[in-house]
Amino acid sequence: AQRVTQPEKLLSVFKGAPVELKCNYSYSGSPELFWYVQYSRQRLQLLLRHISRESIKGFTADLNKGETSFHLKKPFAQEEDSAMYYCALSDGANNLFFGTGTRLTVIP
Amino acid sequence: EAQVTQNPRYLITVTGKKLTVTCSQNMNHEYMSWYRQDPGLGLRQIYYSMNVEVTDKGDVPEGYKVSRKEKRNFPLILESPSPNQTSLYFCAIWLFFGEGSRLTVL
Repeated sequence: AQRVTQPEKLLSVFKGAPVELKCNYSYSGSPELFWYVQYSRQRLQLLLRHISRESIKGFTADLNKGETSFHLKKPFAQEEDSAMYYCALSDGANNLFFGTGTRLTVIP
Repeated sequence: EAQVTQNPRYLITVTGKKLTVTCSQNMNHEYMSWYRQDPGLGLRQIYYSMNVEVTDKGDVPEGYKVSRKEKRNFPLILESPSPNQTSLYFCAIWLFFGEGSRLTVL
């Protein structure tokens, strides 16, 4: 069965510091991984998908199949990055499975 | 512009009073789904639909019904709401989410 684990419920970093939000997954097939961001009282927005390998808002994420991880990284955190971040996995049948989320707070 | 529209956005109701949350899309996409979001639990899929007249249960379908009579609409039906269905509900068209509907059941 598929599972997505985000081990940190809360993460605080200072402005300008690097940030890494962890995501581990378990899935027997070939997964497609995503990161979503949810700003306060707003909808979930797709931030990254691993197949596109692009950088959005300075965030990047690399799929590591050996470690079954898809950690989200940004070299210099900004205050506007404060939000809830969700890692998600697709089983190839369009179903998305979400982790429980990490709330990132960037301290000025 | 791609749009996912949910209504109502906010609703307070009482136990047992049937309600429907509508979801419509202008993306002509086959796949639509419903999630509920609860603190500490993340998002959990309620139902999904691969196409018209094709629906299936997600992780937490109990107490909910859906229908997909036409491609653009995918309503979520609570026949007899209970307080444990108080939650924030999101409709999604594949990877794209609606604004959410906050439901409170008293």
